[in-house]
Amino acid sequence: DQQVKQNSPSLSVQEGRISILNCDYTNSMFDYFLWYKKYPAEGPTFLISISSIKDKNEDGRFTVFLNKSAKHLSLHIVPSQPGDSAVYFCAAFSGGTSYGKLTFGQGTILTVHP
Amino acid sequence: EPEVTQTPSHQVTQMGQEVILRCVPISNHLYFYWYRQILGQKVEFLVSFYNNEISEKSEIFDDQFSVERPDGSNFTLKIRSTKLEDSAMYFCASPTAPSADTQYFGPGTRLTVL
Repeated sequence: DQQVKQNSPSLSVQEGRISILNCDYTNSMFDYFLWYKKYPAEGPTFLISISSIKDKNEDGRFTVFLNKSAKHLSLHIVPSQPGDSAVYFCAAFSGGTSYGKLTFGQGTILTVHP
Repeated sequence: EPEVTQTPSHQVTQMGQEVILRCVPISNHLYFYWYRQILGQKVEFLVSFYNNEISEKSEIFDDQFSVERPDGSNFTLKIRSTKLEDSAMYFCASPTAPSADTQYFGPGTRLTVL
C-alpha cells in the first residue's frame, strides 16, 4: 500500500546548487503534507509543511510546491549545503478521516558535495 | 524545535520478553503517536492516542502491543512478547498544540530482539 511514493532513492548535488526532491501520492483525501529530514539512528526532524489550500510554502532555503491535480509535491533547497546531506521523507495525512496519522514515503538520500 | 524525549535510547531483549518504551511528549497535548522504522524501510504509523484512548491503530499494532499514559505525562508503548521482527527504531511523536498539524518526533528507541 504505497499511498506516498518517493521514486528517487538518492540524489547527488553540488554545494550551492538547487536540490529538488519529489513525492507523489495517490490518496485524494490527503490534505496536509510535510517534509522531514532524518539522520541515521535519530528521529525525523520537521522541515516544512503545506496545506492543500496552498500551492507553495517557503521557509528560508526550503520551498515546498504542491500540485494537487497531479498529486505531486516537491521540496526545493536553495542553495544546497553539505549539512543538508541526509534522508528526506515526505509525509501526508487526511485531517478529515485520520487526523494526524502520517503516511510516509520511502525516503530520498540527499548527498551534497562540497 | 519543541522537544519530545524517549527512553531508553537502545533496548536489547530476548525473543518472548516484554519491553516498555517510554516517551515524554510536548506537554499539555491530547494527541500522541507511535511510529516505527525497520532498518532500511520507511517510517510506519503504529497508533494514535487521543485524550487517553486509542484513536486509531494500524494492522501492525496487534494484541501484543499496548499504549498507556500511566501518570498523565509519560506515554508508554508495551510489547508483551517480542518477536525478532519487532526489531526496529520506535518513535514517539507529538503536535505542538492540541490542534496543530505538525508532529515533532522524539529521537527514537532502537529495539533489538535476539
